Amino acid sequence: EVQLVESGGGLVKPGGSLRLSCAASGFTFSSYSMNWVRQAPGKGLEWVSSISSSSSYIYYADSVKGRFTISRDNAKNSLYLQMNSLRAEDTAVYYCAREARTGDYFDYWGQGTLVTVSS
Amino acid sequence: SYELTQPPSVSVSPGQTARITCSADALPKQYAYWYQQKPGQAPVLVIYKDSERPSGIPERFSGSSSGTTVTLTISGVQAEDEADYYCQSADSSGTYREVVFGGGTKLTVL
Repeated sequence: EVQLVESGGGLVKPGGSLRLSCAASGFTFSSYSMNWVRQAPGKGLEWVSSISSSSSYIYYADSVKGRFTISRDNAKNSLYLQMNSLRAEDTAVYYCAREARTGDYFDYWGQGTLVTVSS
Repeated sequence: SYELTQPPSVSVSPGQTARITCSADALPKQYAYWYQQKPGQAPVLVIYKDSERPSGIPERFSGSSSGTTVTLTISGVQAEDEADYYCQSADSSGTYREVVFGGGTKLTVL
């Protein structure tokens, strides 16, 4: 069974940093591209970042470019999101999502971790 | 950059057919995907590549495409189908990638 479990969320002050983790199991992690998608309270889904299976290709949404860094450790079956210079508008539930092998979509999602940026 | 436009809400009675549209404002149109999200839960993929249904998704969920508009159809709506539905598409080419979600449609089962 595919499982994605996020952790690392919490309350942080504006300008602060936070590192999210996603532990994957139930599939060959090193064979899949992975993504972070976020959802602000009461709002819709927003793609944040993608990383290919071998970390060769990395992409970011314009809203986080230069502040967030996605990475992965295939030996540990883990995905990460380092978030710096956090703003109030970064407050959201952050989901880890597996990208399907057959297209640009997400076939499995974690339950999410809440990041709150507030003074 | 492009946008996907969905109606904010759709309401239907149990047993009726619900249709949720998603319109792209620019070409070329890529494949569209649909997710269902219930309160407090993660999104679940219900349609991929415009009209394909993942295993485990009931047959009452179907998708179609016409021009730059895709439609999610739920036939014989059940109370458990009440949820938010999001369309999604992506545009990728080498060093560039943009993944876009529609604003979401709240399906209410009356």
